[in-house]
Amino acid sequence: QSALTQPASVSGSPGQSITISCTGTSSDVGAYNYVSWYQQHPGKAPEVMIYGVSNRPSGVSNRFSGSKSGITASLTISGLQAEDEADYYCNSYTSKGTWVFGGGTKLTVL
Amino acid sequence: QVQLVQSGAEMKKPGASVKVSCKASGYTFTGYYIHWVRQAPGQGLEWMGRIDPKNGGTNYAQRFQGRVTMTGDTSITTAYMELNTLKSDDTAVYYCTRDRAVAGDFWGQGTLVTVSS
Repeated sequence: QSALTQPASVSGSPGQSITISCTGTSSDVGAYNYVSWYQQHPGKAPEVMIYGVSNRPSGVSNRFSGSKSGITASLTISGLQAEDEADYYCNSYTSKGTWVFGGGTKLTVL
Repeated sequence: QVQLVQSGAEMKKPGASVKVSCKASGYTFTGYYIHWVRQAPGQGLEWMGRIDPKNGGTNYAQRFQGRVTMTGDTSITTAYMELNTLKSDDTAVYYCTRDRAVAGDFWGQGTLVTVSS
């Protein structure tokens, strides 16, 4: 199972919006509405920000939103804040009943 | 409150095995899958497999088939991940995470496994 494809890095200024893409295949992202997104700060465990393509867990800011079209999912962060600077990973359920992660995207807040 | 507490760091020689534990508390252990995810130094997240603590059913990533064993002990609400025939590129932080709605909603603190001669 190949990793989902994410851009290696994105950047934005405080207050701006950014979008991170996550491209899979018809056997994972395109087949199920089971895409999740994780934020990871250095030295910390990942934290789920979005699950089920577009659902936010309790306590996650509504500045984070998710969507999907075909085999590509997206995470949008609006009103960028310094604390959003972190690595972000997408994840999808697959037709084999497994999970697959994206390679990760480093977000820099300028 | 839900907690997943993992065992401490391990240092192993190539060819050895390691067994990492993940003690769950604050919820019904048999009600949720536990997944194992690893992260090599400076690298991304890699899914290794999952266990259903209710019946012990497992599903492993193909690249770990034959080398990994995931088990659970419902009496002490603890999941285990054992990786055999360790190589230097197995050096990584290993995480357990609870599966809710096909996402990892709670994560352990991570266990660093270092493989070196």
